[in-house]
Amino acid sequence: AQSVTQLGSHVSVSEGALVLLRCNYSSSVPPYLFWYVQYPNQGLQLLLKYTTGATLVKGINGFEAEFKKSETSFHLTKPSAHMSDAAEYFCAVSEYSGTYKYIFGTGTRLKVLA
Amino acid sequence: DTGVSQNPRHKITKRGQNVTFRCDPISEHNRLYWYRQTLGQGPEFLTYFQNEAQLEKSRLLSDRFSAERPKGSFSTLEIQRTEQGDSAMYLCASSLDGTSADIQYFGAGTRLSVL
Repeated sequence: AQSVTQLGSHVSVSEGALVLLRCNYSSSVPPYLFWYVQYPNQGLQLLLKYTTGATLVKGINGFEAEFKKSETSFHLTKPSAHMSDAAEYFCAVSEYSGTYKYIFGTGTRLKVLA
Repeated sequence: DTGVSQNPRHKITKRGQNVTFRCDPISEHNRLYWYRQTLGQGPEFLTYFQNEAQLEKSRLLSDRFSAERPKGSFSTLEIQRTEQGDSAMYLCASSLDGTSADIQYFGAGTRLSVL
């Protein structure tokens, strides 16, 4: 079965600093991977996705992620944090069971310090 | 494209009562998912519809839970004889392509509090 591990339930960075949110996955087949962001009292919004092809994926709001098969990782980065980036971030893998349901990690809450 | 709509946004109920939530997916999306999110956890899959057919149910979905999607449009999730452990955010998502690479669009969720 596929699974996702997000290291660090809480991450704090200073405004303007690098953001790095970690995601490792487990899958016996090439995975499809996603990062979603959730702001308070809102639904999940897609930041970016990896399917096939280029391993460096660019998303919205300046975020990007790199798929590293050898490390089974899909870490999310942003060069310079902004106050508006404070939110909860979820990594997910698409399950190959016919339903294509998502398996989510437990999430990382990002705090941006002024 | 008005997005995925969920109603109500919040529901407070007493233990033992029945509750029903509604999800209106993005029009023309044939796939619809329900997830449950508890505090400090990521969303967990509950059930999936392709058009009007319910094709998979998670073991998390006890006999007290039932979901429908009549005519392949909106969906309802009913919880009978609610328990305090049912308190959670219930999220609905829809998608179009039906491939592993398709994107699920999420509603804002219904937050259930069982007293």
